Amino acid sequence: GESVGLHLPTLSVQEGDNSIINCAYSNSASDYFIWYKQESGKGPQFIIDIRSNMDKRQGQRVTVLLNKTVKHLSLQIAATQPGDSAVYFCAEKQGGSYIPTFGRGTSLIVHP
Amino acid sequence: DAGVIQSPRHEVTEMGQEVTLRCKPISGHNSLFWYRQTMMRGLELLIYFNNNVPIDDSGMPEDRFSAKMPNASFSTLKIQPSEPRDSAVYFCASSRGQGSEAFFGQGTRLTVV
Repeated sequence: GESVGLHLPTLSVQEGDNSIINCAYSNSASDYFIWYKQESGKGPQFIIDIRSNMDKRQGQRVTVLLNKTVKHLSLQIAATQPGDSAVYFCAEKQGGSYIPTFGRGTSLIVHP
Repeated sequence: DAGVIQSPRHEVTEMGQEVTLRCKPISGHNSLFWYRQTMMRGLELLIYFNNNVPIDDSGMPEDRFSAKMPNASFSTLKIQPSEPRDSAVYFCASSRGQGSEAFFGQGTRLTVV
C-alpha cells in the first residue's frame, strides 16, 4: 500500500541549472512510459514519452532515460527556468493496457 | 483543438447533495478516463471507458459514484449523495488508444461542506 499523508519529494534548483527528476516504476511488464507536468490549478500536461525498446529520448530541453534493468525512469531538464516549476509525474502502461498508472510526483521549484 | 473540456471548474456543495461533473473528450479519442486527485492519495483512476463502454470501474470508491458515457463526445461522473471526504480535484482525460498518451482536462475542484 502507499504511504498516508505523504509529502511530495521536492527538488529545488537555481534558474539555469540542469534538473534531474527520478521515478521508480513498479511493473516490469510496462512498455510505455510518459512524463507529465502539472502546474498549480491545472491538469497534468504531456511532456515526453518513451517506449521500452529505447533507453533514451530527447525533446526540447528535456531528455528521458529508461533503465529497464532496475525499473528506473528519469527526466532531465536542461537550463531550468522558473516556468518549469511544477509537479512532475511519471506514468507507465503495460502492453495491451489502455490505462496509465501514475507515480506520486515530484515537486520542482526553480529559484530565479 | 480545444482539448479536454470539463465543467464546472469549481463546485461547492453541501453534504448529501447530488453532484454531476461533465467532460467532453478530444474529438477522435476513443478512450476516456476519470481520475481523482488528493494530497493524500495522489492521482487515482476511478473509471475507464473505451468506445463509450465502461471497461474498468474498479477504482470507483463506492456505490455513491457512477459514471456514464452516452456518446463519444460526452461523459458524466455523478456522486449521490456527496460527502465531505469526496472533496478533491476530479480530472477527465482522453486518449487515442493503447500506445498513446492521455490528455487531461483542467479538472473540477469539488468541495463538499
